[in-house]
Amino acid sequence: GAGVSQTPSNKVTEKGKYVELRCDPISGHTALYWYRQSLGQGPEFLIYFQGTGAADDSGLPNDRFFAVRPEGSVSTLKIQRTERGDSAVYLCASSLAGGFYEQFFGPGTRLTVL
Amino acid sequence: SQQGEEDPQALSIQEGENATMNCSYKTSINNLQWYRQNSGRGLVHLILIRSNEREKHSGRLRVTLDTSKKSSSLLITASRAADTASYFCATDSGGSNYKLTFGKGTLLTVNP
Repeated sequence: GAGVSQTPSNKVTEKGKYVELRCDPISGHTALYWYRQSLGQGPEFLIYFQGTGAADDSGLPNDRFFAVRPEGSVSTLKIQRTERGDSAVYLCASSLAGGFYEQFFGPGTRLTVL
Repeated sequence: SQQGEEDPQALSIQEGENATMNCSYKTSINNLQWYRQNSGRGLVHLILIRSNEREKHSGRLRVTLDTSKKSSSLLITASRAADTASYFCATDSGGSNYKLTFGKGTLLTVNP
């Protein structure tokens, strides 16, 4: 079956602009996660959704970052007033349910802020 | 902050040799997972080992877990050039079984 998909695969934007990154999880997976990976580092947790609600958003770095999952499937990560330090690969993952289940990752969106 | 720490940071071997990567972590866990990543993009799940398990096998992969030492190892036997990738261990934090914390990874290069 189809895996996790993310669009766009690459996004180049200018400092101060607003961006949206989309994630389509595996069908039937109720849990969805966003991670951010900087060059040479492992992924870092941003936010976890169980269904439509954000069960844990403790990894979001500041209030410029926001994510939604209005119908419990597709999720959008929104970044306002982008900064050069936001440049990274943003990874989305989904799992059958939260906890104790393997997380399946998408290919990521490479965000470059000029 | 990153809990897991892989060792070595980089490993270069010849095709057919075995590759061993280690991971240490700091706090109690429910489970530990190993992932592979090619070209800095999507992560591929390799294996999950629960805190009450000591060893697990999957094809050419063997994972061990020592909770008393807070460490795990990933062994890839009979390596192939296609195994060239970065390998990450990921742990949940005992109180949160969904939030994965990754190390910086081991870059494995398998030379043909």
